Amino acid sequence: DIQMTQSPSTLSASVGDRVTITCRASQSISSWLAWYQQKPGKAPKLLIQKASSLESGVPSRFSGSGSGTEFTLTVSSLQPDDFATYYCQQYNSFSRTFGQGTKVEIK
Amino acid sequence: EGHLVESGGGLVQPGGSLRLSCAASGFTFGSYEMNWVRQAPGKGLEWVSYISSSGSNIYYADSVKGRFTISRDNAKNSLYLQMNSLRAEDTAIYYCARRPTAAPFDYWGQGTLVTVSS
Repeated sequence: DIQMTQSPSTLSASVGDRVTITCRASQSISSWLAWYQQKPGKAPKLLIQKASSLESGVPSRFSGSGSGTEFTLTVSSLQPDDFATYYCQQYNSFSRTFGQGTKVEIK
Repeated sequence: EGHLVESGGGLVQPGGSLRLSCAASGFTFGSYEMNWVRQAPGKGLEWVSYISSSGSNIYYADSVKGRFTISRDNAKNSLYLQMNSLRAEDTAIYYCARRPTAAPFDYWGQGTLVTVSS
């Protein structure tokens, strides 16, 4: 199975900060990488697919990059609504593995 | 716009069984692959099972293989998860999620809580 490793596990930041989350795959997944945002008590929300394609309605301050085994999610200027947990997911294989999550907290 | 509603969760003793359902509306259910994903309390997301649009292809996570069975009824716009031989570590919120072809999970239900405890 493909393993996904996110870092950091927790990130403390302030409104207006630029933040970057990294996701590494145990083998190449080309660009079959998605990013989700989850808030407490809610289902995950798809932000980005195919490593860098922003979903409709997702603010442009979110961006994704990478291919192969290393990927990043960047928020260019953190807003109050962005404090949440973020997960990467590979969909290259049928076991659609998730990373362990990165919690973005208020500093 | 798609809408998914899970039901069937609850408290069950270790070794017991439970059947989850996911009712779909607002889209052509039979055209989409579907998945179950779970989240243990305070933990991350874990993919559980996949079923193709026709039901002919099915996959499971190793952690549930041999105990859980995914199925669907396209005429009833419904997805199911039969869970047998339940263990404490199966305690989680269970989400159903839609997957368009060659894409990640774009619609999720609100989840249903399964608690395995004596």
